[in-house]
Amino acid sequence: GDSVTQMEGPVTLSEEAFLTINCTYTATGYPSLFWYVQYPGEGLQLLLKATKADDKGSNKGFEATYRKETTSFHLEKGSVQVSDSAVYFCALTRVNAGKSTFGDGTTLTVKP
Amino acid sequence: GAVVSQHPSRVICKSGTSVKIECRSLDFQATTMFWYRQFPKQSLMLMATSNEGSKATYEQGVEKDKFLINHASLTLSTLTVTSAHPEDSSFYICSARDLGQGIYEQYFGPGTRLTVT
Repeated sequence: GDSVTQMEGPVTLSEEAFLTINCTYTATGYPSLFWYVQYPGEGLQLLLKATKADDKGSNKGFEATYRKETTSFHLEKGSVQVSDSAVYFCALTRVNAGKSTFGDGTTLTVKP
Repeated sequence: GAVVSQHPSRVICKSGTSVKIECRSLDFQATTMFWYRQFPKQSLMLMATSNEGSKATYEQGVEKDKFLINHASLTLSTLTVTSAHPEDSSFYICSARDLGQGIYEQYFGPGTRLTVT
């Protein structure tokens, strides 16, 4: 079955540091890939997405590239801010599966 | 656009009572809604897929008689936790698909914190 494996957290960085959160997946066919962000006490918000190989999703300074050869969708940001502190979820959706598969989430804490 | 609301945001109930949680898509139609339960260590567990006008599809291990799901319209799905017990205390999150945006994206509600005493 489908699966998503995320880098285990928690991740603690200083403000303006470079961020990478690794995500790899297992799925048949050509899934769409997503990163969601969850701030404390809230639901999930879509951060970025990519629907086919080599697509790059980007939003709010975050980027992730759909790499089919390595089945990866790593999240990166060049300079994190304290306000980026949250839990980040990698997810995939296959058209004929309907539902999405989520990773376990990675907690990011950015210190001033 | 693509806003999903949940009500209530927090609820405390006594053991043995039932609690209903509403999930609404405010500005789009959603033929499919999903119900998740989130545990303290962050993992998101899919409980069921709710399709408008038909019975929900429950994931393995989820008791359908305990977690009643109704999807009566294209903008509303409800989750009722029946005969709640302290172990049902959790954060429940719904999501919905916006047909106008294609079938891939899910938009999430803000979640409902259920505490059973």
